[in-house]
Amino acid sequence: QVQLQESGPGLVKPSETLSLTCTVSGYSISSGYYWGWIRQPPGKGLEWIGSIYHSGSTYYNPSLKSRVTMSVDTSKNQFSLKLTSVTAADTAVYYCAREKGLIGDLRGVFDIWGQGTVVTVSS
Amino acid sequence: DIQMTQSPSSLSASVGDRVTITCRASQSISYYLNWYQQKPRKAPKLLIYAASSLQSGVPSRFSGSGSGTDFTLTISSLQPEDFATYYCQQSYSTPPYTFGQGTKLEIK
Repeated sequence: QVQLQESGPGLVKPSETLSLTCTVSGYSISSGYYWGWIRQPPGKGLEWIGSIYHSGSTYYNPSLKSRVTMSVDTSKNQFSLKLTSVTAADTAVYYCAREKGLIGDLRGVFDIWGQGTVVTVSS
Repeated sequence: DIQMTQSPSSLSASVGDRVTITCRASQSISYYLNWYQQKPRKAPKLLIYAASSLQSGVPSRFSGSGSGTDFTLTISSLQPEDFATYYCQQSYSTPPYTFGQGTKLEIK
């Protein structure tokens, strides 16, 4: 079955860049679907960061757009997130997830999630 | 952005109870409304999509309804494993997709 696994540093210094990778197993990214990042600050709700297609087409949350870059590496079956100029407000559990479909009411529905990775922003 | 508001924010109930959680959108989102369940230290799990479609593998005691701005998630008979936090999410307008603030369902 399809599985997602986040990886990356658990501690990032303020003003630096947060970099995370999501490795997909059980499915080839280049076969389709949008792949997204969602985060959850401690004790708070969920915030969608952005999504990427295997072609590299992206769409981001406007509130983070100036600091976010997502990319895909089909050869490694991975997609990645970079968030620049981080502050303590970026401390969160970061999840990668798959959008259920490409069109209509399946777009933006996250049906498969990674287990999440904790990122703390602190000096 | 479309704002999603859930009520109540928390709820106490007993095993066997029928429970309803409400989600309201700040503007019409047709039927582009999804529900997730999250247990502590776990990733969210998709329960319902497109307002009323049950995700594969999800027990039939979960159901969703609504359209436009008002939606509900109903659990017909609470089971011990259903105590969790529930989130609604709109996928009508992008960017961005937005989530409700969550409803914590606790054991009475």
